[in-house]
Amino acid sequence: EDKVVQSPLSLVVHEGDTVTLNCSYEVTNFRSLLWYKQEKKAPTFLFMLTSSGIEKKSGRLSSILDKKELFSILNITATQTGDSAIYLCAVKANAGGTSYGKLTFGQGTILTVHP
Amino acid sequence: DTGVSQNPRHKITKRGQNVTFRCDPISEHNRLYWYRQTLGQGPEFLTYFQNEAQLEKSRLLSDRFSAERPKGSFSTLEIQRTEQGDSAMYLCASSLARQFGEERGSEAFFGQGTRLTVV
Repeated sequence: EDKVVQSPLSLVVHEGDTVTLNCSYEVTNFRSLLWYKQEKKAPTFLFMLTSSGIEKKSGRLSSILDKKELFSILNITATQTGDSAIYLCAVKANAGGTSYGKLTFGQGTILTVHP
Repeated sequence: DTGVSQNPRHKITKRGQNVTFRCDPISEHNRLYWYRQTLGQGPEFLTYFQNEAQLEKSRLLSDRFSAERPKGSFSTLEIQRTEQGDSAMYLCASSLARQFGEERGSEAFFGQGTRLTVV
């Protein structure tokens, strides 16, 4: 069965700090790894990673994938109170030669940024 | 189209009652998913549609759960004879099917969810 594990489960920092969130996975027929941010309700899409070593960046957020060691990290620099949220890592895998998009999620990392 | 829409946003029901939730996906998306999320956990996959065909159901989905997607547009998720253990956030997501080997543009977008409380 596909498995995704995130660490830490929760993290409390002050504004301006840099944080690193971890995601490790065990899946058969890996296709892609996705990061989502969940503030109150809907998870909102951040990044999709498919290849090792290529860093994805969006402003203060960046993410990288290591397909050999089966993990990804999400970095947030110069954190702001608005970054407080649950960060979810999810993996998409093939099923029988097709990829229909089903995601297996980790339990999430709760990030709290204090002023 | 502003995204995936779910209603109701909240539902409180008595144990044993039936409930039905609705999801309207992003209009051009042909894939639709239902997930369930409980406190402190990531979303768990329940079921998946490609157009109107329901192609996979999780073992989590007991016989009391049924989902439909008539005409490949909106979807409904019905829970019969609700139990307290059904209390959760029910999330719907949609995505666009891509050619095999193409991942870009295939990410799933989520609705705001329906929070179900069974008392």
